[in-house]
Amino acid sequence: EAQVTQNPRYLITVTGKKLTVTCSQNMNHEYMSWYRQDPGLGLRQIYYSMNVEVTDKGDVPEGYKVSRKEKRNFPLILESPSPNQTSLYFCASSFGTGAGYTFGSGTRLTVV
Amino acid sequence: GENVEQHPSTLSVQEGDSAVIKCTYSDSASNYFPWYKQELGKRPQLIIDIRSNVGEKKDQRIAVTLNKTAKHFSLHITETQPEDSAVYFCAAGGGADGLTFGKGTHLIIQP
Repeated sequence: EAQVTQNPRYLITVTGKKLTVTCSQNMNHEYMSWYRQDPGLGLRQIYYSMNVEVTDKGDVPEGYKVSRKEKRNFPLILESPSPNQTSLYFCASSFGTGAGYTFGSGTRLTVV
Repeated sequence: GENVEQHPSTLSVQEGDSAVIKCTYSDSASNYFPWYKQELGKRPQLIIDIRSNVGEKKDQRIAVTLNKTAKHFSLHITETQPEDSAVYFCAAGGGADGLTFGKGTHLIIQP
């Protein structure tokens, strides 16, 4: 089944404790992206990647890192999480920038 | 960068009536305009999209229109049903930096 898999689905952590949210797609998509969703703010892009080893900042990249060592994987790294990073995170992938996204099931992160 | 405005933020319609959600965008280079539906607790899912070389596209009860000159596009849902209740997002883009989303419209179908 074609899908984008995110893990974990839920995560509660403490301020400053490094964490990684994994994202993997099995559709051979070149383009991958991370968004955060907050009430009243919609979906805001954190980072995106057009291909292996090619990543760039989105609209809200502060406090986040990403890597794209393999085509299928695009992990989101929070080196020192803070409470303002409490949010619902979605990974998405597509064949290209002008194609529809397939979203992962989301990761609800709480930083206390 | 691109900026997408979406209205209204909440829309309540009677079952069987039509619903219209409107979006405007700022970047004239945007050439791809998808719409996503997000049910409570679930991921956004693509329901329809349109490209800049097309003015209108229809899929059963759902249609999207695009006015490139005015930089706005709209989602039309006819004969609304209870399962249409959800949050709908418009987006614009197609360039290297992907899609910029509107803030969403909560559509409520009243029985």
